[in-house]
Amino acid sequence: DAGVIQSPRHEVTEMGQEVTLRCKPISGHDYLFWYRQTMMRGLELLIYFNNNVPIDDSGMPEDRFSAKMPNASFSTLKIQPSEPRDSAVYFCASSMISSTGTYSGGYTFGSGTRLTVV
Amino acid sequence: QKEVEQDPGPLSVPEGAIVSLNCTYSNSAFQYFMWYRQYSRKGPELLMYTYSSGNKEDGRFTAQVDKSSKYISLFIRDSQPSDSATYLCAMKGKSTFGDGTTLTVKP
Repeated sequence: DAGVIQSPRHEVTEMGQEVTLRCKPISGHDYLFWYRQTMMRGLELLIYFNNNVPIDDSGMPEDRFSAKMPNASFSTLKIQPSEPRDSAVYFCASSMISSTGTYSGGYTFGSGTRLTVV
Repeated sequence: QKEVEQDPGPLSVPEGAIVSLNCTYSNSAFQYFMWYRQYSRKGPELLMYTYSSGNKEDGRFTAQVDKSSKYISLFIRDSQPSDSATYLCAMKGKSTFGDGTTLTVKP
C-alpha cells in the first residue's frame, strides 16, 4: 500500500487566491482526518469524515475553509480566499475500525502539504 | 486549560540514555492513547498505542498509562541518534494531540 497520499507537497500562493489540497486515504480505511500544524498551535484537528460523511467540523477555523469527500478514495480541503495566517502544514490522515467495531489502531498520516500564503 | 498537556522540552540526551516523555490529560473519557514520532518535514507516524492502564513494550519503547492519574509516558531505552525527532502523545476521542517534545540524542 502506498499509504496516505497528499498533493501538492508544497504550495505558495498569493493572499486572496483559492487553494485546494488533496488527499487519497488508504484503501479500506473508514475515517479520514484533516489536520493543520503550526509552531504556535501544534497539530489541530480541522474536520473528520466517517464513510465519506463529515462527522465533526468544529475545528474548521472559518467559513473560508471547506472540505469534501465525494468518495472513499478522495478528499479535498479548500481555502477561499486564502490569507497569510493560513500558512501551515496541512496533514491528511486515515484510520479504520475493525469489523467488531473496536478501534484497530492509530492514524496513518500523509506527508503533508506545506502551504505558504504571501 | 488544554485537554492534553505534554512536557515541552526540548530534550537533549547522550546516546544510550533512557528517555522519559510525559503527558497528562484532563478528560477521563479518553480511552485510547497513542504515541507518534515525527521527523523533520515528515508526517507523524504511529509508534505505539494502548488502551488499558499499565505498560506496553515494543522493542526499546515502553508506553505506560495510568488512568487514575490521567498520566501517560513513553520510555525509550538505549536511545540512538536515529530517535532524534518530535514525539507527540495523542488521545482518541476528539483526536487530541499534545504539542510535542523534541528529542535530540547526541552520539
